[in-house]
Amino acid sequence: AAGVIQSPRHLIKEKRETATLKCYPIPRHDTVYWYQQGPGQDPQFLISFYEKMQSDKGSIPDRFSAQQFSDYHSELNMSSLELGDSALYFCASRPRASYNEQFFGPGTRLTVL
Amino acid sequence: DQQVKQNSPSLSVQEGRISILNCDYTNSMFDYFLWYKKYPAEGPTFLISISSIKDKNEDGRFTVFLNKSAKHLSLHIVPSQPGDSAVYFCAASPSGGGADGLTFGKGTHLIIQP
Repeated sequence: AAGVIQSPRHLIKEKRETATLKCYPIPRHDTVYWYQQGPGQDPQFLISFYEKMQSDKGSIPDRFSAQQFSDYHSELNMSSLELGDSALYFCASRPRASYNEQFFGPGTRLTVL
Repeated sequence: DQQVKQNSPSLSVQEGRISILNCDYTNSMFDYFLWYKKYPAEGPTFLISISSIKDKNEDGRFTVFLNKSAKHLSLHIVPSQPGDSAVYFCAASPSGGGADGLTFGKGTHLIIQP
């Protein structure tokens, strides 16, 4: 079965650089979510999109922005990277007209040096 | 302030026996609850969910119980198998619909011993 696709899987950046993470939801899923998981931590919700509109907002720093495109894929843009941004970034998607059962991708591991 | 709490960082259970993972929550607005299983270097895998209008939901070897008055839920795995060894996260949402983000607990590392 098709799963959520995230790219890249690994990314290494320097402080103050920018990064763009991409997420391709499962077909016929119209809602996308972004989460950040620090080492030994639980996933923290960042932001979600439903039908290309921002829907819910969590603890997303002002340096980060995201959007969902017409083909439902989403991108998380991160600027002025800090050491503390090093984490696993998960994207999740939810089927159209379903309960809030979110299906997660494999994650992108971002390392900021 | 941790709104979803999993007070047992780890749990060891013998293969074939029942595994019971517990979760407590403090936010009365939570209305929908989910359990996820996670292996290292992989994304969380959805296991089972329950709405606040129910007190039990069953799917194969997995059963989730919800005690809304106590703000407590538990996941039962029967019988436990070696492949069940993983970190289990409890998660909550203000509603079953919508695009609300999930609030996760810190996870319980389940170890199934042969």
